[in-house]
Amino acid sequence: DAGVTQSPTHLIKTRGQHVTLRCSPISGHKSVSWYQQVLGQGPQFIFQYYEKEERGRGNFPDRFSARQFPNYSSELNVNALLLGDSALYLCASSLWHTDTEAFFGQGTRLTVV
Amino acid sequence: AQSVTQLDSHVSVSEGTPVLLRCNYSSSYSPSLFWYVQHPNKGLQLLLKYTSAATLVKGINGFEAEFKKSETSFHLTKPSAHMSDAAEYFCVVSSLSTGTASKLTFGTGTRLQVTL
Repeated sequence: DAGVTQSPTHLIKTRGQHVTLRCSPISGHKSVSWYQQVLGQGPQFIFQYYEKEERGRGNFPDRFSARQFPNYSSELNVNALLLGDSALYLCASSLWHTDTEAFFGQGTRLTVV
Repeated sequence: AQSVTQLDSHVSVSEGTPVLLRCNYSSSYSPSLFWYVQHPNKGLQLLLKYTSAATLVKGINGFEAEFKKSETSFHLTKPSAHMSDAAEYFCVVSSLSTGTASKLTFGTGTRLQVTL
């Protein structure tokens, strides 16, 4: 079985631009969470989606948004990119929204210049 | 709010010697605790998890951790380090955030270096 897949693996954007990151969860998993990992730090929780609804949100500005599709895949959107948005964006999937065990993808490395 | 503190940002051991990575947690109720490993330019891999069953938890690759409520600690150990263990290790606590979402809170990480 395929694990959590994320695309693209690397991305370079200019300040002010918009970016969309994609994630496909493990087959059968209904919950997707997004995390931001800035270089040298631990990942920070951004969103959790379950059954296409937002179930949790971390301390991130409204420039960050996400959605989940009927097939449980998810997109993370970031508008008006700042240099500080440069990070590894990780997607995690789990069976349920209250499931404590999460499986992570390889991440998307976003560089904002 | 729940949090974890990893007491060492960097640990260096010789191959074949024991590994100890320290983690203290803060939680208002019985937490779920995890250790994840991240190799360079890779995603996160679950090493082991504690969810209020046995206090001594065995994980993959010979790692284990002991949950000590009285000390609010969840230290990660391995009897004998291998070169392939060199990586970043994260102690993690799980909580139910608003909206009944399961949210993982990560420590700042411990970089394990293994030397010959």
